[in-house]
Amino acid sequence: GQSLEQPSEVTAVEGAIVQINCTYQTSGFYGLSWYQQHDGGAPTFLSYNALDGLEETGRFSSFLSRSDSYGYLLLQELQMKDSASYFCAVRDYGVGSNYQLIWGAGTKLIIKP
Amino acid sequence: DADVTQTPRNRITKTGKRIMLECSQTKGHDRMYWYRQDPGLGLQLIYYSFDVKDINKGEISDGYSVSRQAQAKFSLSLESAIPNQTALYFCATSVGAGRLPDTQYFGPGTRLTVL
Repeated sequence: GQSLEQPSEVTAVEGAIVQINCTYQTSGFYGLSWYQQHDGGAPTFLSYNALDGLEETGRFSSFLSRSDSYGYLLLQELQMKDSASYFCAVRDYGVGSNYQLIWGAGTKLIIKP
Repeated sequence: DADVTQTPRNRITKTGKRIMLECSQTKGHDRMYWYRQDPGLGLQLIYYSFDVKDINKGEISDGYSVSRQAQAKFSLSLESAIPNQTALYFCATSVGAGRLPDTQYFGPGTRLTVL
């Protein structure tokens, strides 16, 4: 079957660094995306990795290892506004997938002062 | 003005009623999607449309139907609502055309409660 695994909750301290992991099992793979969702809000796109390695966008970075079917989102210099849920999503190109996104269940990031 | 709008934002209805959720976009995107989100869970794809004449079932289409009235409008209907359809519903759009990552842009969501 197709699945994405990520921790349900992570707690960190303001100003610190936190890593949110995502492992995936899909019939095909066409890139790993990360989305952020604040409570009561809509998901918004954060980053995308199609190739192995690290992509950096300001305080956020995303890493991918296709051989390990693994990726992570790294958030640095945490701010209270980063408190949200973070979803990884894989674009699958397996038979019948029609290149749709498969979503993880999300990781709730709790930031303490 | 928001690029992706959904109406209504909140709706309470009774079991057996027919409900329509509407989505409009001004982004000019070809692709539109309907997702359902249950508390503590990720997004589950209900239906998606690559253009006005191309509509596809997602992973949880049973009990739902859709209509793509125009490039900018995509409606989701619950023909006979049941309590386990109580959830947060999101509409999303993407440009498609083979452009990765084909980022999806979400509307604000509709919170539906079926009593």
